Amino acid sequence: EVQLVQSGAELKKPGDSLKISCTGSGYSFSTHWIGWVRQRPGKGLEWIGIVFPADSDLKYNPSFQGHVTISADKSLKTAYLQWSSLRASDTAMYYCARQDYGDPDAFNVWGQGTMVTV
Amino acid sequence: SYELTQPPSVSVSPGQTARITCVGDALPKKYGHWYQQRSGQAPVLVIYEDTKRPSGIPERFSGSSSGTMATLTISAVQVEDEADYYCFSADSDGIQRVFGGGTKLSVL
Repeated sequence: EVQLVQSGAELKKPGDSLKISCTGSGYSFSTHWIGWVRQRPGKGLEWIGIVFPADSDLKYNPSFQGHVTISADKSLKTAYLQWSSLRASDTAMYYCARQDYGDPDAFNVWGQGTMVTV
Repeated sequence: SYELTQPPSVSVSPGQTARITCVGDALPKKYGHWYQQRSGQAPVLVIYEDTKRPSGIPERFSGSSSGTMATLTISAVQVEDEADYYCFSADSDGIQRVFGGGTKLSVL
């Protein structure tokens, strides 16, 4: 079974650093883009960026670039989203998702989400 | 920054057809994708590349695109289709990806 399993909920203070993870199984991790999506409480979805694990190619939403860092470790089959200094406005559910059908924007497998509270 | 515009809400009765629109300047050149998000759950891809349906998605879900508007059509709506629906696409340069603001489908 293809699945993405995300790390657990986090409670942090403003200014703290944080790294959340997304581990893939049941497929060739390196050859599918992994994306990150934010959803603030009661709000819509926001695209943060994507990483291609085979070569760590990255694409960021300009609105998030500089505040978050996306990375991937293909040997661990894990993608990461990290902050060096959290803000209260980072409080949200964060989803990772795997692209499919040869299209980096068609996310067909989603993680269960990681709730980050700052 | 690039924007995709969706109606905030659509209401239909069970068995009727629901149409949810998404307007964006780059849609004539870029694919639109549609995601369903039920309350408290992760999103699910229901249409990709304007018209294609992922495996496991019921045939009552279909997509189309014309000019600057993409449309998600749900035929013979069922109560279980009640959810938020988001379109997703890229700007004309392919740099910025955005979700529409979301449409809440109510099945009355």
